[in-house]
Amino acid sequence: NAGVTQTPKFQVLKTGQSMTLQCAQDMNHNSMYWYRQDPGMGLRLIYYSASEGTTDKGEVPNGYNVSRLNKREFSLRLESAAPSQTSVYFCASSETQQYFGPGTRLTVT
Amino acid sequence: EDQVTQSPEALRLQEGESSSLNCSYTVSGLRGLFWYRQDPGKGPEFLFTLYSAGEEKEKERLKATLTKKESFLHITAPKPEDSATYLCAVQEGTSYDKVIFGPGTSLSVIP
Repeated sequence: NAGVTQTPKFQVLKTGQSMTLQCAQDMNHNSMYWYRQDPGMGLRLIYYSASEGTTDKGEVPNGYNVSRLNKREFSLRLESAAPSQTSVYFCASSETQQYFGPGTRLTVT
Repeated sequence: EDQVTQSPEALRLQEGESSSLNCSYTVSGLRGLFWYRQDPGKGPEFLFTLYSAGEEKEKERLKATLTKKESFLHITAPKPEDSATYLCAVQEGTSYDKVIFGPGTSLSVIP
């Protein structure tokens, strides 16, 4: 029982490059989330998915897209990375409390 | 505007020195309040959920309490392994999926 897994753990991109962050959960949860965490700003919600086939914008969705591929998987795509997207990205899933993955540390130069 | 604040921003304690962390919230309707622990380089780890004023939950040296405007995380006789950032989050009543996180309190326990 792995919980919430994320890949990759680390990534360095150049400005303008694209990439997809992958997230999977094995707890059969309906809800999944993508957050970014920046120093002094706490966790901010980018997108969430209340169930398979649905996605909604959170607090900071600009520059990101998501796909809820199935009940287990929820991916986050950066189409054209910018230095302002340098951050630590966390995926989470929940029925009541949220369970978090280990995070992806992304640097955009 | 819905808001969650935490104080202090950082706290340094001697081993065995008890203290409390504060989480204050302003939401239109509280569905639940969560406490998480986050170690450096890791994702947040769930500690407690509180649903109504007057509720208390305990786990080892930690005790969480809830009033209508704030929550406290009491740490009794802390040990160095309690050093971490403690995050408070509030689930707002009108949207099951809307969870607002506070900025966290960084706790250091010195041997």
